[in-house]
Amino acid sequence: AQKVTQAQTEISVVEKEDVTLDCVYETRDTTYYLFWYKQPPSGELVFLIRRNSFDEQNEISGRYSWNFQKSTSSFNFTITASQVVDSAVYFCALSEAWNTDKLIFGTGTRLQVFP
Amino acid sequence: ETGVTQTPRHLVMGMTNKKSLKCEQHLGHNAMYWYKQSAKKPLELMFVYSLEERVENNSVPSRFSPECPNSSHLFLHLHTLQPEDSALYLCASSQEIKSSYNEQFFGPGTRLTVL
Repeated sequence: AQKVTQAQTEISVVEKEDVTLDCVYETRDTTYYLFWYKQPPSGELVFLIRRNSFDEQNEISGRYSWNFQKSTSSFNFTITASQVVDSAVYFCALSEAWNTDKLIFGTGTRLQVFP
Repeated sequence: ETGVTQTPRHLVMGMTNKKSLKCEQHLGHNAMYWYKQSAKKPLELMFVYSLEERVENNSVPSRFSPECPNSSHLFLHLHTLQPEDSALYLCASSQEIKSSYNEQFFGPGTRLTVL
């Protein structure tokens, strides 16, 4: 069965701290895709990254970085030098190659960054 | 307009009302989706449309009736809803279904309250 677990319900940090959001997934498929989305208070989910299961290279985009580890079925997201504008709910999601339309979401991690 | 737009942004309705949610995508995508986001639950996929044809109905009650007149527009017709249907309804689009180009782009959602 497919499942995405985001064990951290809520995280609070002070500006400029680094923060890591955890994501653990379950799938029987060998080809799958992992995603991170950001949902600010306005409600819209903003696409951040997609990673396919054959690409384990870590990725960095500005203050954002992602660590994909197939051995532990994890796809963690780190924000370096957090800012107040990073405050949002962050969702990790999974889709499998045989059914790419279906995004399976975790329950999300609410990040609050205080000035 | 760019991206995915949804109207109205907020809707309050009684259980006997009939209303419709509208979604429009300006991305030239061929697939559109309805999701329900309730508090403390993962996003639930409701319907998937590809080129105006419904390809998935995730056991959604018949009081929710989708309509896709063309690949840019998606509606969700609501009638005789229950209070537990109160939620944020999100529309999304992607380039196509059954494809590795499967990032979904979301609208801002309609916050629905059923009294």
